[in-house]
Amino acid sequence: ETGVTQTPRHLVMGMTNKKSLKCEQHLGHNAMYWYKQSAKKPLELMFVYNFKEQTENNSVPSRFSPECPNSSHLFLHLHTLQPEDSALYLCASSQDAFLLAPSGELFFGEGSRLTVL
Amino acid sequence: AQSVAQPEDQVNVAEGNPLTVKCTYSVSGNPYLFWYVQYPNRGLQFLLKYITGDNLVKGSYGFEAEFNKSQTSFHLKKPSALVSDSALYFCAVRAMDSNYQLIWGAGTKLIIKP
Repeated sequence: ETGVTQTPRHLVMGMTNKKSLKCEQHLGHNAMYWYKQSAKKPLELMFVYNFKEQTENNSVPSRFSPECPNSSHLFLHLHTLQPEDSALYLCASSQDAFLLAPSGELFFGEGSRLTVL
Repeated sequence: AQSVAQPEDQVNVAEGNPLTVKCTYSVSGNPYLFWYVQYPNRGLQFLLKYITGDNLVKGSYGFEAEFNKSQTSFHLKKPSALVSDSALYFCAVRAMDSNYQLIWGAGTKLIIKP
């Protein structure tokens, strides 16, 4: 069983819908991340939270809105998405954010496969 | 600019043969280097990392990687491939000049044929 759990695993939504992705980590980590994975492209870092505070926002469009209520939970709220937003969205955690612990590895969830019609 | 290159989209190896998945990087300063593996319909799993010290690093599932500073490479290797090694492999690097953000390669699909 993975230490990072993502729900839902699959999501299909129209461009006018509002939905949310959820991530929960059971590892006692302090940092959580959202990544976008598209086929044959490097992973794209979207957001970083360290101790519930957002420390990175890599120029992500405002139609993606993250929320981190505590160090164990991370949400990605979605609204008015575009078809090109269809991708696998991966949540990850690490003991500390990379600025504090650059040698630390990431622990990933299994991802949420998003399809925007 | 900082970058990571995985020059092969796909590598095909017969079961039992040695395998190599290539990775080269371009960063300034001392890099932290990582390999991750992604099995079908799963998230990424950490395989191994190089921080400092011995250039040959051993990791999970019998994999190892060699850090070559002069060639700025960190190739992943395994002496004898298994069909179960078939997956997508990602190389990643962190360095001070990238603000320690992970810079990812585009991934290499490894196919091991029986």
